[in-house]
Amino acid sequence: AQRVTQPEKLLSVFKGAPVELKCNYSYSGSPELFWYVQYSRQRLQLLLRHISRESIKGFTADLNKGETSFHLKKPFAQEEDSAMYYCALSGRQNFNKFYFGSGTKLNVKP
Amino acid sequence: NAGVMQNPRHLVRRRGQEARLRCSPMKGHSHVYWYRQLPEEGLKFMVYLQKENIIDESGMPKERFSAEFPKEGPSILRIQQVVRGDSAAYFCASSPPGGSWTEAFFGQGTRLTVV
Repeated sequence: AQRVTQPEKLLSVFKGAPVELKCNYSYSGSPELFWYVQYSRQRLQLLLRHISRESIKGFTADLNKGETSFHLKKPFAQEEDSAMYYCALSGRQNFNKFYFGSGTKLNVKP
Repeated sequence: NAGVMQNPRHLVRRRGQEARLRCSPMKGHSHVYWYRQLPEEGLKFMVYLQKENIIDESGMPKERFSAEFPKEGPSILRIQQVVRGDSAAYFCASSPPGGSWTEAFFGQGTRLTVV
């Protein structure tokens, strides 16, 4: 069964510290993995996707098929990174249906 | 372009009443998706519509829930005879014709509370 697990509901770090938001998934086919972010009182927006291999706002994520993980990382957290982060999965043949994790709230303290 | 607009932002209904949630997609977008987020859970796919067509409703509960996206006007998610378990945040997203999901943009959601 398709599933996305984000084990941490809340992650608090100090400004300038490294941050890693964990995401594990299960999927029977070849998944596409994404990270979405929701800043306070704003809508969800796409942060990055693994097929692009891009770095957005200093965040990166590597798809590890062996560990079925897609952890989101940033070497130096900023206060403006405080937000809800959702890991999501979709099948390449089913781009219209996403499976979302429960989200991790990142709190970056000054 | 005002983005994806959902209204109302907050909706309170008594058990047994009907709830209507509206979603106006971004200009030029003809694909609409509805997601539900129950408390303490992630977003769950409900339905995918194109203008006047339901493409995939595999995530919709079999009873009381329906969705439409008419040729003119917003997409409507309708919940009849609401129960307490329907209390959730309902998110809508839209994407342009021919676009992949990653081109979709979310609305700010409607928080439904059933009392």
